[in-house]
Amino acid sequence: AQTVTQSQPEMSVQEAETVTLSCTYDTSESNYYLFWYKQPPSRQMILVIRQEAYKQQNATENRFSVNFQKAAKSFSLKISDSQLGDTAMYFCAFLKTQGGSEKLVFGKGTKLTVNP
Amino acid sequence: DAGVIQSPRHEVTEMGQEVTLRCKPISGHNSLFWYRQTMMRGLELLIYFNNNVPIDDSGMPEDRFSAKMPNASFSTLKIQPSEPRDSAVYFCASSSTSYEQYFGPGTRLTVT
Repeated sequence: AQTVTQSQPEMSVQEAETVTLSCTYDTSESNYYLFWYKQPPSRQMILVIRQEAYKQQNATENRFSVNFQKAAKSFSLKISDSQLGDTAMYFCAFLKTQGGSEKLVFGKGTKLTVNP
Repeated sequence: DAGVIQSPRHEVTEMGQEVTLRCKPISGHNSLFWYRQTMMRGLELLIYFNNNVPIDDSGMPEDRFSAKMPNASFSTLKIQPSEPRDSAVYFCASSSTSYEQYFGPGTRLTVT
């Protein structure tokens, strides 16, 4: 079974600075997707970024980028120029694509606070 | 697009009562997912449907929980009878072929 580990329960960063959230996963699959979701206090789950395992290039979405290390099974999220609106819980998630399954497995989350 | 729509947003009920949560997926999406979020267990997949057919219900806690998807635009999650340990936020999500799941705003259920 796949597992996703987020080792940082809480983090804080000053506004305009850069912060990196860690995520590791365990799988024997070769084809899969990885995601970061953001959950602000409104509790809405918002998709931040997606990475396909077969792509070597790291995904980027504006101020959000990932460092995907397939051999190390690591998938960290970097937030540049942090803004107050980035304050939220961040969840790393794994989805295997073989066998027709679409089951997302989530980590426990990292609570990020951006300080003014 | 309106996104995934869930109702009600909040539900407070007494133990033993039946609870029905509703979800309308994004139009054109062919997969629908029900998740439960609690402090203790985090986000858990309860069941998911593909083209209205249940594919994986291994996360459904017990027989008190049931889910249906009678058509492509509507799904329900029913708990009967409800218990205090069912208190949680229940999310519905939908996806197309891109594997990106889009979540609804959630239903906060409180069972007293």
